[in-house]
Amino acid sequence: EVQLVQSGAEVKKPGESLRISCKGSGYSFTTYWISWVRQMPGKGLEWMGRIDPGDSYTNYSPSFQGHVTISADKSISTAYVQWSSLRASDTAMYYCARLRQGSSSWYYLDYWGQGTLVTVSS
Amino acid sequence: SYELNQPPSVSVSPGQTASITCSGDKLGDKYACWYQQKTGQSPVVVIYQDTKRPSGIPERFSGSNSGNTATLTISGTQAMDEADYYCQAWDSSTVVFGGGTKLTVL
Repeated sequence: EVQLVQSGAEVKKPGESLRISCKGSGYSFTTYWISWVRQMPGKGLEWMGRIDPGDSYTNYSPSFQGHVTISADKSISTAYVQWSSLRASDTAMYYCARLRQGSSSWYYLDYWGQGTLVTVSS
Repeated sequence: SYELNQPPSVSVSPGQTASITCSGDKLGDKYACWYQQKTGQSPVVVIYQDTKRPSGIPERFSGSNSGNTATLTISGTQAMDEADYYCQAWDSSTVVFGGGTKLTVL
């Protein structure tokens, strides 16, 4: 059974750093890209970026480029997103999801983690 | 950057057909998919590659995509279908989501 299990909820202060994780199981972790998705309270889904766990190639949404870093450790089948300096506006639920792709350029997120709630408040 | 537009809300009576649209420039030249998100839960894909249903998704969910519009259709809508629905496409090596549509079954 494919599973993506995320780390637990976090409460941080503005300016602090944070790394949250997403551990994959039940499939070959290096075969599929992992994406991160933000959902601010009461709002829609926003794609942050993705990583190829096989070679750690990443690409980011322009909205998140420079503010977050996505990484992966294939030896433990885990992907991460990290912030070096959190802002109150980073308060949101963060999901990791496995990105499926097809030869004719179709892409969709077929398995999702349970979400990690990040609260940034002074 | 590429944009996908959805109506903020759609209402439907139980047993009737609900249609949720997603519009974007030449969206029909890309592949669209749809996610259902119930309150407090992670999203679940209900349609991918325009028209395909993952295993476990009821047959009442169907999709189409042509021109500038993709459509998610729920036939015989049930109370359990009340949720937020998001369309998604792939453009310039990025995932693009629509703003989401709240489906109310009343």
